[in-house]
Amino acid sequence: GAGVSQTPSNKVTEKGKYVELRCDPISGHTALYWYRQSLGQGPEFLIYFQGTGAADDSGLPNDRFFAVRPEGSVSTLKIQRTERGDSAVYLCASSPSGGAATDTQYFGPGTRLTVL
Amino acid sequence: GQSLEQPSEVTAVEGAIVQINCTYQTSGFYGLSWYQQHDGGAPTFLSYNALDGLEETGRFSSFLSRSDSYGYLLLQELQMKDSASYFCAVPGAGNMLTFGGGTRLMVKP
Repeated sequence: GAGVSQTPSNKVTEKGKYVELRCDPISGHTALYWYRQSLGQGPEFLIYFQGTGAADDSGLPNDRFFAVRPEGSVSTLKIQRTERGDSAVYLCASSPSGGAATDTQYFGPGTRLTVL
Repeated sequence: GQSLEQPSEVTAVEGAIVQINCTYQTSGFYGLSWYQQHDGGAPTFLSYNALDGLEETGRFSSFLSRSDSYGYLLLQELQMKDSASYFCAVPGAGNMLTFGGGTRLMVKP
């Protein structure tokens, strides 16, 4: 079956612009996670969805970042008034239930965001 | 908070064995995971240890000592394709992962 997909694969934008990043999780997976990875570092947690609701958004760096998952499947990460420091690879992961530490997370290839 | 420490870089030759260590500090511990990531690729799950001891999956093994807050990933019979970054990670409540900084493994012929 298909894995996690993310679009676009690359996004170049100008400082101050608005961007949307999309994640299509594995079909049937109820848990969805967004992470951000800067060059040479490990991924950092941003937000976690269980179904349609954001169960934990404690990793969002500020109120310019927002994410939705209206039908419990596809999720969109939205960044307003982008800053050069937002440049990173944004990774999405899904897992079957998200309730157990043994629940494997499957990652997408990421969206590389560059803010000029 | 949670933090994980691992070496930034390891070099080994093809056919050899390499061990990548990870020490962690966590508030609440559920287990230790390992992920592999090739340049430009997605992190892929390798192993998970919830209990002390060694878990073996083919050429890869992972070890955990909860009393020492320490684990390692052991890669045997190294192949060129094993050149990648390896991350240890701990799940928190809700299973969101906190990752270490990653260890870049370079396998030389």
